[in-house]
Order: sequence, then C-alpha cells, then structure tokens
Amino acid sequence: NAGVTQTPKFQVLKTGQSMTLQCAQDMNHEYMSWYRQDPGMGLRLIHYSVGAGITDQGEVPNGYNVSRSTTEDFPLRLLSAAPSQTSVYFCASAQTGTSGSLYNEQFFGPGTRLTVL
Amino acid sequence: DAKTTQPTSMDCAEGRAANLPCNHSTISGNEYVYWYRQIHSQGPQYIIHGLKNNETNEMASLIITEDRKSSTLILPHATLRDTAVYYCIVRANAGKSTFGDGTTLTVKP
Repeated sequence: NAGVTQTPKFQVLKTGQSMTLQCAQDMNHEYMSWYRQDPGMGLRLIHYSVGAGITDQGEVPNGYNVSRSTTEDFPLRLLSAAPSQTSVYFCASAQTGTSGSLYNEQFFGPGTRLTVL
Repeated sequence: DAKTTQPTSMDCAEGRAANLPCNHSTISGNEYVYWYRQIHSQGPQYIIHGLKNNETNEMASLIITEDRKSSTLILPHATLRDTAVYYCIVRANAGKSTFGDGTTLTVKP
C-alpha cells in the first residue's frame, strides 16, 4: 500500500491564482481531512470528510473548498491564493471505528509546501 | 472536543524515560486521548490512544488519571530519534480532530 499520497510536494503561486492540492489514499478509509501548519505552529483543521459525498468545515475553512466524489480522493482547492495561505498542507485518513462514531489512528501524508507570493 | 494543555518544551537525557504530561480537564466521558508526534517537518505519526485504562504498545505507555482530567505519555528509553513535537488530542467523534501546539521534546546525549 502507498498509504496517503499528496501532490505536489512543493508549489509556488502568485496572489490571486487558484490551484488544487491532491490527496489520495489506498486503504479504503472513510475519514479524510486536510490540515495546514504554519511555521512553528501546530496543525489546524481546514476541512474533513466522513465518507464519499460528505464534507464539513474545520477550524480554518475560509479560502478553501473540498469535495469527496470517491473514497480514495480528497482534493483541496484554493480559490484565490493569498500570502496568508503560505503554509505546509497535510492530508490524513482514518478508518471508521467499530463503534461507529469513534475513529482509529489517522495516517498522514508527507505534506505539500505552498508559498504564495 | 475537549481542549488540551501541554508544556511548550521539555528535555530528556538519552536512555532515560521521557514523561510528557497533558491536561484535559474538560474531557467528556466518551472522549478518547490520542498522542501523535511529528519529527522535523514530516507528517504526524500516531503513537497511542486510550479511554480510561492505561495502555502500552511497542512505542510508548499512556497513563490516564482516574478522573481522566490528565494523562502522561511515557517513552521508556528515549533515544535521539525521539526528538520531536508531541501532540495530545482529545476527541470523541472524528468529525473534528484538532491539534494544539504540542510539546517539543529534545532528547540530549
């Protein structure tokens, strides 16, 4: 299994440009999420999904869109990039727990390092 | 999800046990305690989780107080490779799994 993969690894954008960060997992996990990590800070949740066709907002959703058309993929779209979105973006996935609402460990991708000029 | 409080940084001598505390005084009965770590700029790595009983795996032990308001992650024999940021997370449903700023553990020779 490849686990959680993210592309690209690095990206430089100009203010106002749009782009999509790709995330894919091959573990058949229902839960997927996107985080951003600014220098010297912890991770902040942007959006998450509990299954195909279902998405919801996290702590810092503004400026980002997501969709979940398949179990495997969870792309993150930056609508109009701003310098404040310069960050490292991590995607994660997890399996649904047997109790239904509890999840097991999250598996993280290697991250996408985004710079917005 | 309950908020957690962790010290900003800690040092530990190589070969000694590293004890990382976490306070989660507002934890609810159905919320689990999870620990992750992040080495350098890699993606976070799961370590261990528990509800109310102490847990142990090949990486670490998790001690949860009887009132569940705090917990301690124990790395029994810390090595230089254990230098990382350690995150304590409390959550019930996986709708939102939020990370704080964590504890930076530095293992020194």
